[in-house]
Amino acid sequence: KAGVTQTPRYLIKTRGQQVTLSCSPISGHRSVSWYQQTPGQGLQFLFEYFSETQRNKGNFPGRFSGRQFSNSRSEMNVSTLELGDSALYLCASSLSRGNTEAFFGQGTRLTVV
Amino acid sequence: TQLLEQSPQFLSIQEGENLTVYCNSSSVFSSLQWYRQEPGEGPVLLVTVVTGGEVKKLKRLTFQFGDARKDSSLHITAAQPGDTGLYLCAGAWTGNQFYFGTGTSLTVIP
Repeated sequence: KAGVTQTPRYLIKTRGQQVTLSCSPISGHRSVSWYQQTPGQGLQFLFEYFSETQRNKGNFPGRFSGRQFSNSRSEMNVSTLELGDSALYLCASSLSRGNTEAFFGQGTRLTVV
Repeated sequence: TQLLEQSPQFLSIQEGENLTVYCNSSSVFSSLQWYRQEPGEGPVLLVTVVTGGEVKKLKRLTFQFGDARKDSSLHITAAQPGDTGLYLCAGAWTGNQFYFGTGTSLTVIP
């Protein structure tokens, strides 16, 4: 079956702009989590969605937001982009909540100039 | 503050050598996972360990979960160039929020 699909793979934006990233989880998976990966900070948890509701949120400013649709697809939005937002954004799909295994997409490489 | 510390941070070895990567925490996790990530790709799940003291083998890779479920190790026997990558441990905490370790970047030289 198809894995986790993230679009787009690469994105270049200008400071101050906003961006929306998309994640389609594995079919049947209902939990989607987002992570930011940078060389200096490693993988940092952004938020988790399950049944269209945000269940957990990491320590990121309010410029980072997300949502999940009824088909479990998820989007994350970053407004007023800053240079420091340049990173690989990864989406992880899990069957359900409760410490189940997470399967990652290939990520979206965002560059803010 | 990192919940999970991995060591070493960087490792460069010759093909055929053995190596061990460590993942340590002061917190107890209900489960712990190991991932391998290649440049430009997302992490790929290698194994999940759940029970304290558990040992799992995946071909030349041996994973161990500490008795107190606070630490884990990954041992690779006879490393090959295809093992090159970033190895990440991740502990499951609340719900599906995983805390990732700092990572170990492994290079196996042919």
